[in-house]
Amino acid sequence: AQSVTQPDIHITVSEGASLELRCNYSYGATPYLFWYVQSPGQGLQLLLKYFSGDTLVQGIKGFEAEFKRSQSSFNLRKPSVHWSDAAEYFCAVGAGGYQKVTFGTGTKLQVIP
Amino acid sequence: DGGITQSPKYLFRKEGQNVTLSCEQNLNHDAMYWYRQDPGQGLRLIYYSQIVNDFQKGDIAEGYSVSREKKESFPLTVTSAQKNPTAFYLCASSPPGGGRDTQYFGPGTRLTVL
Repeated sequence: AQSVTQPDIHITVSEGASLELRCNYSYGATPYLFWYVQSPGQGLQLLLKYFSGDTLVQGIKGFEAEFKRSQSSFNLRKPSVHWSDAAEYFCAVGAGGYQKVTFGTGTKLQVIP
Repeated sequence: DGGITQSPKYLFRKEGQNVTLSCEQNLNHDAMYWYRQDPGQGLRLIYYSQIVNDFQKGDIAEGYSVSREKKESFPLTVTSAQKNPTAFYLCASSPPGGGRDTQYFGPGTRLTVL
């Protein structure tokens, strides 16, 4: 079975600073990897996903993520954070076929002026 | 607009009562899911359904029940057997394919047991 770890529970960055959220996964084959964002009291929205091909994936809202097989990582990055990026971010890993997706425990991002 | 609706947004229940959370989608997706979200624990899968009239238990199905009589609807019943039901509940749907497909989430229902 697959698993995913988000080691940072809470991160604070200044507006305009760069951001990197960490995600490590465990799965025997090439996984399907996702990053979702959740605003307070809301559902989750997909930011980006990786299935195969180019290991640098571009998403919405200026986010990108890089798949590194050797490190079993799929870290999310943004060059310049905006106050509206304050939210909780979830990394998720899926396997092939009809196997379910497993979500990480989330990283809550706080943006300070 | 296509999407997923969940109702009610807030739900209060007395101990010992069963309650049903509604989830409806008009995305024509075959698969639907129920998750429970608690602070610091991420999303945990309760039940999922890949097709009408079929569903499977997730990681924390005890104390919950579901039905899938229509493609558009996947209601979740929180029974009195669920020992700690206060949580935020999220419904999602996806095209068939399970682990490779994007899941689309509803806005959630916050259940509080009084």
